[in-house]
Amino acid sequence: DVKVTQSSRYLVKRTGEKVFLECVQDMDHENMFWYRQDPGLGLRLIYFSYDVKMKEKGDIPEGYSVSREKKERFSLILESASTNQTSMYLCASSPFPRTSGDHYEQYFGPGTRLTVT
Amino acid sequence: GNSVTQMEGPVTLSEEAFLTINCTYTATGYPSLFWYVQYPGEGLQLLLKATKADDKGSNKGFEATYRKETTSFHLEKGSVQVSDSAVYFCALRSSGSARQLTFGSGTQLTVLP
Repeated sequence: DVKVTQSSRYLVKRTGEKVFLECVQDMDHENMFWYRQDPGLGLRLIYFSYDVKMKEKGDIPEGYSVSREKKERFSLILESASTNQTSMYLCASSPFPRTSGDHYEQYFGPGTRLTVT
Repeated sequence: GNSVTQMEGPVTLSEEAFLTINCTYTATGYPSLFWYVQYPGEGLQLLLKATKADDKGSNKGFEATYRKETTSFHLEKGSVQVSDSAVYFCALRSSGSARQLTFGSGTQLTVLP
């Protein structure tokens, strides 16, 4: 059974703290993603990675950074947490396409609900 | 750029009612289209998909047909159950992107017994 796990289901942090959200997948997928989910806005892509040590900005990267030192692990870092980063954070992974016609299901973790006070 | 527009929620139905959740998209080329479902307290999981025009995706009694002429991918189910209560997301992957999905805002469905 495929598995994407996230380090915490719920997290409460103070403004200005450095926050690490960890994601691990056991499917040997090349691609990993971080989204945030907010009511009425759906999922918005923060960063993604298609290989170890590689990263690309998504739609809303400001205030975030990422790290991918190992293939199975993708970390999201909030350098200095702010209240507007209170949200649900979802990690996902997917395999790299082998042909142009491949369509890849993204497998999601259960999410981390972060509250910044 | 790419975008996905879903009908506003929340949607509340009685058990065995007919469900339609509208989804329209804007994309260049020939995108692949997806419906994801998020049950309470869980991450998203793929419900169904279609990769070319006129394809019909189906799973668990849900169906959606890729309509290029109307740029739509509406989700339907003939008879909903209480266990279908969840948030439903329409998404697309453009033909130029091997990796990224663009999601709609999600539609909350509640089915009452």
